[in-house]
Amino acid sequence: KQEVTQIPAALSVPEGENLVLNCSFTDSAIYNLQWFRQDPGKGLTSLLLIQSSQREQTSGRLNASLDKSSGRSTLYIAASQPGDSATYLCAVEGDSGGSNYKLTFGKGTLLTVNP
Amino acid sequence: DTGVSQNPRHKITKRGQNVTFRCDPISEHNRLYWYRQTLGQGPEFLTYFQNEAQLEKSRLLSDRFSAERPKGSFSTLEIQRTEQGDSAMYLCASSFRRFRNDGYTFGSGTRLTVV
Repeated sequence: KQEVTQIPAALSVPEGENLVLNCSFTDSAIYNLQWFRQDPGKGLTSLLLIQSSQREQTSGRLNASLDKSSGRSTLYIAASQPGDSATYLCAVEGDSGGSNYKLTFGKGTLLTVNP
Repeated sequence: DTGVSQNPRHKITKRGQNVTFRCDPISEHNRLYWYRQTLGQGPEFLTYFQNEAQLEKSRLLSDRFSAERPKGSFSTLEIQRTEQGDSAMYLCASSFRRFRNDGYTFGSGTRLTVV
């Protein structure tokens, strides 16, 4: 059974700081890995998707990396802003059972960027 | 296209009542998913449709839960005889797996409170 762990559970930083969120998964036979953002009481907004054959993806101030063999991904946020405050969720699609149609999520990292 | 739409946004019901939620996916997406998220947790997979066919149902879903996707368009999730443990955010997502980097798009969710 695929399991996803996110560290840290919560993170508070001053505005302007660069930061890294970590995600690990137990079954390396993934199809994709996707990072989402969730604002309080809201749905999920997709940030970045990395295919299993890729090493990283970038969008603006966000960079996500993937090391499939070690079961790890990181989300790097440059020059953080108060508007980045949210919960960041890591989700992997697929496992060695061939379930390439559902996401397994971590519990998320709650990020607070202080002005 | 305005994304994935879910209705209602909030639902408060008394224990024992039946509730139904609706999801309208992105029109060209052939895959539709339901997830459930409780406080402090990541979303958990409930069920998955490809067009009108329900291809998988999680063991998390008891017999009180039923989902449909008539004609492969919108979907409904019904919970019969609600219990307090059913209180959660119910999230719908859709995707179109034409390319490997086609990810998931989530709706804003329906928050259910059972009193």
